[in-house]
Amino acid sequence: DQQVKQNSPSLSVQEGRISILNCDYTNSMFDYFLWYKKYPAEGPTFLISISSIKDKNEDGRFTVFLNKSAKHLSLHIVPSQPGDSAVYFCAAYPQGAQKLVFGQGTRLTINP
Amino acid sequence: KAGVTQTPRYLIKTRGQQVTLSCSPISGHRSVSWYQQTPGQGLQFLFEYFSETQRNKGNFPGRFSGRQFSNSRSEMNVSTLELGDSALYLCASSFRTSTDTQYFGPGTRLTVL
Repeated sequence: DQQVKQNSPSLSVQEGRISILNCDYTNSMFDYFLWYKKYPAEGPTFLISISSIKDKNEDGRFTVFLNKSAKHLSLHIVPSQPGDSAVYFCAAYPQGAQKLVFGQGTRLTINP
Repeated sequence: KAGVTQTPRYLIKTRGQQVTLSCSPISGHRSVSWYQQTPGQGLQFLFEYFSETQRNKGNFPGRFSGRQFSNSRSEMNVSTLELGDSALYLCASSFRTSTDTQYFGPGTRLTVL
């Protein structure tokens, strides 16, 4: 029962272009969403989050969009840089439940 | 401020053995959560501890257990190891509740032969 899904296992983008990573969820009780970035041999690093009362949150080159009716969120990185090459995980907190549910990750490769 | 530390970083065990992993949270953080990462399943929640009490538990068998000490350090134990337990075990700490932003350690890579 995969409640948070990242349907693209990998994505390749040219340096300087926009990277768009997508995430779908099935549980309408999720009320807080996060994106984490993970390099090999390191733990995930928090990137950006969004509450279900918002539809957009921006932090520098990173913007997260939330479409509650479609149960979909996306992470935009612009412009993409080589250091952005990593695995990106979408995660969500169910309302009232104190445990993070992760997607399976998308490997982003930025090509020079 | 020092980050989350996990020891050991790598472990090799054989089937049937047991293993204990350790996690030291960020100073001041009282919630510690454990996750298992495997290539097929992604990151899966194991359990969360707060003030030495297990508050939340994922869908793992009873062979997986944990505890938290008064200084918020946490240990995770896996008994009767199976080949399928080979994974990266990640610990994350947060200030008060696991709904606060969680900060992850580098993980312990467990290989079961």
